[in-house]
Amino acid sequence: EPEVTQTPSHQVTQMGQEVILRCVPISNHLYFYWYRQILGQKVEFLVSFYNNEISEKSEIFDDQFSVERPDGSNFTLKIRSTKLEDSAMYFCASGGAAGANVLTFGAGSRLTVL
Amino acid sequence: QQPVQSPQAVILREGEDAVINCSSSKALYSVHWYRQKHGEAPVFLMILLKGGEQKGHDKISASFNEKKQQSSLYLTASQLSYSGTYFCGTAIYGQNFVFGPGTRLSVLP
Repeated sequence: EPEVTQTPSHQVTQMGQEVILRCVPISNHLYFYWYRQILGQKVEFLVSFYNNEISEKSEIFDDQFSVERPDGSNFTLKIRSTKLEDSAMYFCASGGAAGANVLTFGAGSRLTVL
Repeated sequence: QQPVQSPQAVILREGEDAVINCSSSKALYSVHWYRQKHGEAPVFLMILLKGGEQKGHDKISASFNEKKQQSSLYLTASQLSYSGTYFCGTAIYGQNFVFGPGTRLSVLP
């Protein structure tokens, strides 16, 4: 069964450092997403990406985040100048069609900011 | 616009039934239900696209009332494996969807 692959599974970083999280979506999917989940809390939307550009982003996105699709397979999330409160699980998801999307989630990347 | 879910948490004994509700203040294009087990990624359960549609598999079903902008997830004769946090995801016309805050379901033997 096709799956979404995320790396690293866990990253520890110092406050103020930049972090890049990587995702390989399902190959024939067109829509890509990043979500964040602080431990025990809701799954929070960060950004959606379609046709090589951002289609929607959350209010907090521009403060610290950026996304890229550097080649035909990878989808990356960059977190600039990490803060303690950025410690969370970051999920990548991909889907086939907007609105009726069925999202397939990756296993997540756990970020710990010290 | 994040959907609202209720209840926040529910505890059941194995074999009991539960209903989880999801509502939005805006017109919805679709409603999705996902389940997340502790330490794992959310997993797709079902999607409802039409007003009044009902879907289900096994003993988990859902309804979508487009007029009321509500969806309900029905868990019948719950099993231990049903434990987890259930999220509804809603899509407003033309936009990508966001998840509700989640309902934590605990099924006890």
